[in-house]
Amino acid sequence: GQNIDQPTEMTATEGAIVQINCTYQTSGFNGLFWYQQHAGEAPTFLSYNVLDGLEEKGRFSSFLSRSKGYSYLLLKELQMKDSASYLCAVRDSDDKIIFGKGTRLHILP
Amino acid sequence: DSGVTQTPKHLITATGQRVTLRCSPRSGDLSVYWYQQSLDQGLQFLIQYYNGEERAKGNILERFSAQQFPDLHSELNLSSLELGDSALYFCASSAVAGGALDTQYFGPGTRLTVL
Repeated sequence: GQNIDQPTEMTATEGAIVQINCTYQTSGFNGLFWYQQHAGEAPTFLSYNVLDGLEEKGRFSSFLSRSKGYSYLLLKELQMKDSASYLCAVRDSDDKIIFGKGTRLHILP
Repeated sequence: DSGVTQTPKHLITATGQRVTLRCSPRSGDLSVYWYQQSLDQGLQFLIQYYNGEERAKGNILERFSAQQFPDLHSELNLSSLELGDSALYFCASSAVAGGALDTQYFGPGTRLTVL
């Protein structure tokens, strides 16, 4: 079956760095996405990885290892507004998109 | 504001009924995606259309159907509604069908409550 695993909850301190891991087992691979979702709002796109390596975008970076079925989202210089759920999603070889259940990130002052 | 519009914002109906949710993509986007989000299941991909044609299908029930019209707006039809269909339904659009440029922009969602 298709499966995406990520931690349910994480807590970090304002100004710090946090890494949210995602492992996946899917029928083929056509790209991995990270989304941010604040409570009661729609998801917003953060990053897309299809090749191995690190993609950096401001305070957010995303890493992919296809051989390990593994990705992480790195958030630097954490701000209170980063308190949200972070969703990892994979597009499989049939172009179906499978989402993990999300990681709720709590930022402490 | 993502530029994707969804109507209605809220919908309350009874079991056994049929409803239609509507989505207008961002100007110029050809792809439309439908998702269901419930508290226990997380975000579930239902279906994708690209320029009027079905592109990919996820865990969409047979009681549900969708289409994309020539003007690129899309409708999701939910019939024989059950209590378990209560959820937030999101539409997203992107410029392409997939690949590196497939950045999806989500609409605000329609909250469906089945009583």
